[in-house]
Amino acid sequence: DTGVSQDPRHKITKRGQNVTFRCDPISEHNRLYWYRQTLGQGPEFLTYFQNEAQLEKSRLLSDRFSAERPKGSFSTLEIQRTEQGDSAMYLCASTLPGDGYTFGSGTRLTVV
Amino acid sequence: GENVEQHPSTLSVQEGDSAVIKCTYSDSASNYFPWYKQELGKGPQLIIDIRSNVGEKKDQRIAVTLNKTAKHFSLHITETQPEDSAVYFCAASLYGQNFVFGPGTRLSVLP
Repeated sequence: DTGVSQDPRHKITKRGQNVTFRCDPISEHNRLYWYRQTLGQGPEFLTYFQNEAQLEKSRLLSDRFSAERPKGSFSTLEIQRTEQGDSAMYLCASTLPGDGYTFGSGTRLTVV
Repeated sequence: GENVEQHPSTLSVQEGDSAVIKCTYSDSASNYFPWYKQELGKGPQLIIDIRSNVGEKKDQRIAVTLNKTAKHFSLHITETQPEDSAVYFCAASLYGQNFVFGPGTRLSVLP
């Protein structure tokens, strides 16, 4: 296992379009997190899964955002009707309970 | 909810000197405190962590100290090298869930 993989690395989209990002966690990790990071800031929590169950969502996660983790393996984060304020780095991390996160390299979204 | 502050926001040191980054947290229930290093274009990488039952932890040139009473913890890097240049984030959490990150410290090690 080579760590947490995120795809794509970069995404440029027009305002109003839908985008979907994928995260493949470390296989033995049962927790998967999505964070958002804007320039010059620390990562901000969006949501997390334990296996296939989505256990918590941040108030940052508006109705336009949805995340899934079917079968408790990879996860997708979809943003509908993108806005310029959605431009950010979207980070995925996986972990076992009580351990530190292993982050992926992130997907950088630019909404034009 | 938890709030984490981090100082300084930027730090420049000469190669070979020590660097110290300090964080404070607000929720006294938090019991797990990791530190991450983020290089340009990459995701954050865990470099060291400490749990609330320990006051200090060392790993080669890196150490972290925790003062639960004062609710602050610090990262110490000794004998800094140019490859230590990066952005460093502290975080606080309860049992490793939903980390709250500080705003980051940009460390520059000057040769």
